[in-house]
Amino acid sequence: DAGVTQSPTHLIKTRGQHVTLRCSPISGHKSVSWYQQVLGQGPQFIFQYYEKEERGRGNFPDRFSARQFPNYSSELNVNALLLGDSALYLCASSGTSGGVYEQFFGPGTRLTVL
Amino acid sequence: GDSVTQMEGPVTLSEEAFLTINCTYTATGYPSLFWYVQYPGEGLQLLLKATKADDKGSNKGFEATYRKETTSFHLEKGSVQVSDSAVYFCALRDVGGGADGLTFGKGTHLIIQP
Repeated sequence: DAGVTQSPTHLIKTRGQHVTLRCSPISGHKSVSWYQQVLGQGPQFIFQYYEKEERGRGNFPDRFSARQFPNYSSELNVNALLLGDSALYLCASSGTSGGVYEQFFGPGTRLTVL
Repeated sequence: GDSVTQMEGPVTLSEEAFLTINCTYTATGYPSLFWYVQYPGEGLQLLLKATKADDKGSNKGFEATYRKETTSFHLEKGSVQVSDSAVYFCALRDVGGGADGLTFGKGTHLIIQP
């Protein structure tokens, strides 16, 4: 079975630009979460979407937005990029395994803002 | 708010040494606890999990016990291998909230020397 997939793998943008990152969850998973991982730090929760509705949001500015499509894939959008937005952006889809909730992570998109 | 604190790295050990990576947490509800591993250039992989007090999660020779009285979830392995070299993240999911976002520690870089 295919795992969580993300595109693109790497991206280079300049300050002030806009970026769109994409994620496809594991088949059958209806929930997608986005995380930002700055180099040397743990991932920080940005958003969760379930059945196309935003279910939760971390402490990120309004420049960050996301949406989920009918096929449960998701996009993360970041406007007015800042140097500090350079990070690995991870997508995770959620499901249960043996009755226990788990989040399964994709390989990430490495965003560099120059 | 919720938080996870884990020991600073890097931790450098010789092959076959005993490993302990400390993790303590603060949560408003009754969290589920996780250890994730991140190999160079890859996303996060779930290593083990525990959902209630005194549960022991185990996988690939790694173990961690959910200690509610000390709010801890220390990761242990009796004999490490070079292939265990990676970054390890302790994380919690506070099941009392609406969103399923995970709260991560900063990560511990483990280096195993032959």
